[in-house]
This record gives sequence, structure tokens and C-alpha cells, in this order.
Amino acid sequence: ETGVTQSPTHLIKTRGQQVTLRCSSQSGHNTVSWYQQALGQGPQFIFQYYREEENGRGNFPPRFSGLQFPNYSSELNVNALELDDSALYLCASSVPPGTQYFGPGTRLLVL
Amino acid sequence: TQLLEQSPQFLSIQEGENLTVYCNSSSVFSSLQWYRQEPGEGPVLLVTVVTGGEVKKLKRLTFQFGDARKDSSLHITAAQPGDTGLYLCAGTSFSGNTGKLIFGQGTTLQVKP
Repeated sequence: ETGVTQSPTHLIKTRGQQVTLRCSSQSGHNTVSWYQQALGQGPQFIFQYYREEENGRGNFPPRFSGLQFPNYSSELNVNALELDDSALYLCASSVPPGTQYFGPGTRLLVL
Repeated sequence: TQLLEQSPQFLSIQEGENLTVYCNSSSVFSSLQWYRQEPGEGPVLLVTVVTGGEVKKLKRLTFQFGDARKDSSLHITAAQPGDTGLYLCAGTSFSGNTGKLIFGQGTTLQVKP
């Protein structure tokens, strides 16, 4: 059984650019949640996708958007990058209301 | 707004010592998870507690969920350098069909040999 995978592992962008991060959910899991973890902080909920539909959103602006595909993999898109977007982006997969299992994360640095 | 307060934020102890990490909230959670995270990696689930008053043990780690399901603790007995890492508590909060995790700020544990 394959766990949650994310790509890329590291990414460097400049302010104003756009970025796409990818997540493959664990086998059998139909829900993907995305979190942002700033350095020295706990993860913050961005949004969740369930069966290809957004199923809840945290306190993040609309320039953070996402998609979920029929195979339940997911993308997180961030437009007009800002310096404060530098963080570790985590995705977690689950079968509601079960436990969320996290991937290794994508480290994004915005210069 | 649901918040989880973790304490202490930093802990540096010698090998063999015992420690307790606390996770407190004014809100009730349907379940609470404890994760451990290494630098640059994703959180790894240690335990999920669901029932008020529940106690779970994982080798030298003991987890307790408060009777009112608002708080939890993690106790490590005879800490070892391999226990070093960031410990995160997270409560499951449901809004409609969305079950999101509310995380504490984390406790950075350093165990010195």
C-alpha cells in the first residue's frame, strides 16, 4: 500500500509568480486536505476536497485554489505569490471521518 | 474560533528524564490526535483518542484525553535521544461534512545524551 506522496519536494519562486503543488492520496482514500505550516508553527487548514468537490475552506484568500481528480489525487495552486507564502505545504488523505495521514510536504520559498 | 494551546513550546532534557506535554482548549473536540514531525517532513500519527478519559500507551509514551474532551496530555517516560522532534496535538473539528484538524503550536523536544 502506497502512502501519501507530494511533489515537488522543494521549490523556489519569486513574488508575483504562480505555483502548483501536487499530492497523491493513499490508496482507498477519497478525501484530501491541504495545510500550510510556517516555520515554527503548527499546520493551518487551507481547504479540503472530497470526491472532486471543495468541501470546506480555512481562512485563506481566493488566490489559493485547488483541484481533485477522479483518482483522488489533488493539486494546490497559489497565484500572485507573496513572501509570506513561504512555508511547508502539507497534504493529508483520509476516508471521512477517519484519521488524516500526511505526506512529506513541499517546501516553498518565495523570494 | 477553536484554538489548541500547547505547552511547553520548547523542552530540552537529559536522556532518562520524564516529561509531559499539555494540549488545552476551551472547545470540545470529537477526537484528538498526536503527531510527531521531523524537520522538513510531514507529521506522523502517533495516536488518536476519541473517548473522554481515554488513556492509550505506545511503549514509553502515554496519551490521555480529558474527561470533557477539551484537553489532552502526552507523557514520555525515560526519554531517549530518538524521541527528539516536534510534537503536535490536533483536534478534529467538524463544520458540516468537513472534518478539519486544528493544530496546536507544537512542542519542540530535545533529548540530550
